[in-house]
Amino acid sequence: EIVMTQSPATLSVSPGERATLSCRASQSVSSNLAWYQQKPGQAPRLLIYGASTRATGIPARFSGSGSGTEFTLTISSLQSEDFAVYYCQQYNNWPRTFGQGTRLEI
Amino acid sequence: EVQLVESGGGLVKPGGSLRLSCAASGFTFSSYSMNWVRQAPGKGLEWVSSISSSGSSIYYADSVKGRFTISRDNAKNLLYLQMNSLRAEDTAVYYCAGATVTTSPFDDWGQGTLVTVSS
Repeated sequence: EIVMTQSPATLSVSPGERATLSCRASQSVSSNLAWYQQKPGQAPRLLIYGASTRATGIPARFSGSGSGTEFTLTISSLQSEDFAVYYCQQYNNWPRTFGQGTRLEI
Repeated sequence: EVQLVESGGGLVKPGGSLRLSCAASGFTFSSYSMNWVRQAPGKGLEWVSSISSSGSSIYYADSVKGRFTISRDNAKNLLYLQMNSLRAEDTAVYYCAGATVTTSPFDDWGQGTLVTVSS
């Protein structure tokens, strides 16, 4: 099983600042890496797939990078609605696995 | 508009059974791979099971293998998860999620249904 490790667990930032979230895979997942956003009481929402492609309707301030085992989600200028929990997920191997999440807070 | 609506959750005793359903609309259900993902209270996301568009390919997490069965009815646009021998650690919100193919990420998610396993 591929273990996905996200860091930091919690990131405290201010609106307008840049946020950088990391995700590491225990073995290569190529570019088969997705990022999801989850707000309290809501279902997750797909943000990024293929490590760097924004899903439909996702603002350009969200960007993803990386391949192999190291990945980054960057939010260039935080808006109030971006404060949420972010999960990475590999879909290269079975079982599909998620990181433990990074909570983005003010 | 894509809609996925889960139902069938509730309170069940350890060792009991429950069947979850996910009603799909707004897209060609029979062309999409479907998935179940769960989230224990206050915890992260855990993939549970996936089924290909035709139902010919099925995958399970080790934690549910032999106890849970995923299936689909493409004529009725329904996805199912039959859960047997339930344990306390199966307590979670269960989400259904659609994907273009089994090798894709999860594009669309339902709002989830809560399963509580407790005596």
